[in-house]
Amino acid sequence: DVKVTQSSRYLVKRTGEKVFLECVQDMDHENMFWYRQDPGLGLRLIYFSYDVKMKEKGDIPEGYSVSREKKERFSLILESASTNQTSMYLCASSFGQADTIYFGEGSWLTVV
Amino acid sequence: KQEVTQIPAALSVPEGENLVLNCSFTDSAIYNLQWFRQDPGKGLTSLLLIQSSQREQTSGRLNASLDKSSGRSTLYIAASQPGDSATYLCAATNYGGATNKLIFGTGTLLAVQP
Repeated sequence: DVKVTQSSRYLVKRTGEKVFLECVQDMDHENMFWYRQDPGLGLRLIYFSYDVKMKEKGDIPEGYSVSREKKERFSLILESASTNQTSMYLCASSFGQADTIYFGEGSWLTVV
Repeated sequence: KQEVTQIPAALSVPEGENLVLNCSFTDSAIYNLQWFRQDPGKGLTSLLLIQSSQREQTSGRLNASLDKSSGRSTLYIAASQPGDSATYLCAATNYGGATNKLIFGTGTLLAVQP
């Protein structure tokens, strides 16, 4: 079975903290994605990666960075967390760019 | 710029009813269209993917259709059950140059009443 695992389901962080959200997929997928989901705004793409060490900005990259040192792992980094980054973060992966996309269970981040 | 719309935002039906969820997109130059299900507080589960060359896809009680010329896709759920209650999202994959982009609708919240 396809599996995308987000290591943290619920996090509470303080403003200004550096936050790491980890995502691992076990399907040897080329592409990995980070989205955030907010009520009324739907899913918005933050960053994606189509190969190891390759990354591209999505629609809302400001305040975020990513790291993909290994094919199976894609990390989202909030350099200095702010309250407007309180959200649900969803990691996803796909084999090809237009193939079925598989999501993790999500990480709820609250910044206080 | 591609915009994906799902109407209605919420729908409530009695158990056993057949129902249709709608998805509209403004740019017909899509690669494919996907339907997802999301349970409260959880991630998205892929239901069906329709390639741009296809007209429909079926999986069990679910049937998804695609009409690129009118910019519409529908998800048909037969004999609905309370377990079908969830938010249903559609997403269109557009050609994006070097990389393709997935654009999501904001979803339809479905409640199936027992």
